[in-house]
Amino acid sequence: QVQLVESGGGLVKPGGSLRLSCAASGFSFSDYYMSWIRQTPGKGLEWISYISTTISFTNYADSVKGRFTISRDNAKNSLYLQMSSLRAEDTAVYYCATDGGYGGNPGGGPFGFWGRGTLVTVSS
Amino acid sequence: EVVLTQSPATLSLSPGDRATLSCRASQSVSSYLAWYQQKPGQAPRLLIYDASNRATGIPARFSGSGSGTDFTLTISSLEPEDFAVYYCQQRGNWPYTFGQGTKLEIK
Repeated sequence: QVQLVESGGGLVKPGGSLRLSCAASGFSFSDYYMSWIRQTPGKGLEWISYISTTISFTNYADSVKGRFTISRDNAKNSLYLQMSSLRAEDTAVYYCATDGGYGGNPGGGPFGFWGRGTLVTVSS
Repeated sequence: EVVLTQSPATLSLSPGDRATLSCRASQSVSSYLAWYQQKPGQAPRLLIYDASNRATGIPARFSGSGSGTDFTLTISSLEPEDFAVYYCQQRGNWPYTFGQGTKLEIK
């Protein structure tokens, strides 16, 4: 069955960096766009980035543009999110999710399968 | 940015009741609207995509309707496992946004 497992979260100081990983199994990873979505009690769910199947196209929310970089390794069935210049407001549970695959153009949803999330806490 | 406003914030119903959840967009998103269910400690689960299409494995008691700016998720007869938080999400306009959620609680 489809499985997405995030890792790499933790406590980091403001201005610091962190790299999240998402290991995919149970489906043809290279056929799917992938997204990162985060969730906080205050702001709710926020889409932050997606990447196309062949890494040729990426898209970011303004809140993370220039600070976060999404990437993937189809040979390793893995998705990554490199986060830098972290701020307190980046504190959230970060989910990876499949993006599209339901007809129409992928990118921005629908998000069919999600991981369980990894918690990132930015605090001094 | 498209703001999705969900109502009501909380809906208190009993098993067997019919639930009607609303999602209103601040501008047209065509039919590019999805609904997700989230239970405590779990990731969201896709229920409905493109306004009215059930995702694989979703029971027929869940249905979606609407287009443009007004959308509805209906659960025809609530089962105990349906009590959760429900979110709408649009992909009609960048950036892709979620509503703030409707909590469906047992009365």
